Amino acid sequence: QVQLVESGGGVVQPGGSLRLSCAASGFTFGTSGMHWVRQAPGKGLEWVAFIRYDGRIKNYADSVKGRFTISRDNSKNTLFLQMNSLRREDTALYYCAKGLAAAAPVYWGQGTMVTVSS
Amino acid sequence: DVVMTQSPLSLPVTLGQPASISCRSSQSLVHSDGNTYLIWFQQRPGQSPRRLIYKVSNRDSGVPDRFSGSGSGTDFTLKISRVEAEDVGVYYCMQATHWPVTFGGGTKVEVK
Repeated sequence: QVQLVESGGGVVQPGGSLRLSCAASGFTFGTSGMHWVRQAPGKGLEWVAFIRYDGRIKNYADSVKGRFTISRDNSKNTLFLQMNSLRREDTALYYCAKGLAAAAPVYWGQGTMVTVSS
Repeated sequence: DVVMTQSPLSLPVTLGQPASISCRSSQSLVHSDGNTYLIWFQQRPGQSPRRLIYKVSNRDSGVPDRFSGSGSGTDFTLKISRVEAEDVGVYYCMQATHWPVTFGGGTKVEVK
């Protein structure tokens, strides 16, 4: 059974940092491109970042470039999102997802909530 | 960045009747590899998104055949041949041809 389980969300002050994790199981994580997608409360989906299966290619949304870093540990089947210099507009439910555009099954986690507030 | 524009924002439908959602991109979504990476997602209330269609018209496994995708270049459509109650939710198009990946703003499908 495929599972993507996000963790690490919480409440943080503006300017603070958080590190999100996404634990994967039930599929070959080490050969899968992975994404982070977020959804602000009551709003639509916003793509955040992508990392290729081997970690050598990373892409970011303009809104997070220079502040967020996506990474992975294939030995632990885990995806990460390091978020620095957080802003109130980063408040959202953060999903990890496998292979959004690939001609292969797509999987999503249930999300972890990040709230940036003083 | 590629801007994805969906219409309508809200789509009241009668059960058993067809529904159609439009998605337009600010530039062609034809990739240099010849593929068009236009994807449709469904998000039911309180749930994570679910992919319905990839590369314009390919249905994901388990997606009912009442869902179909079509289009080319910059103009795409998701059609539901006969809306069922379980189809209520928000539908998003997404392009993955150009970095960064971008989503449309969403279309809320609700029963009249």
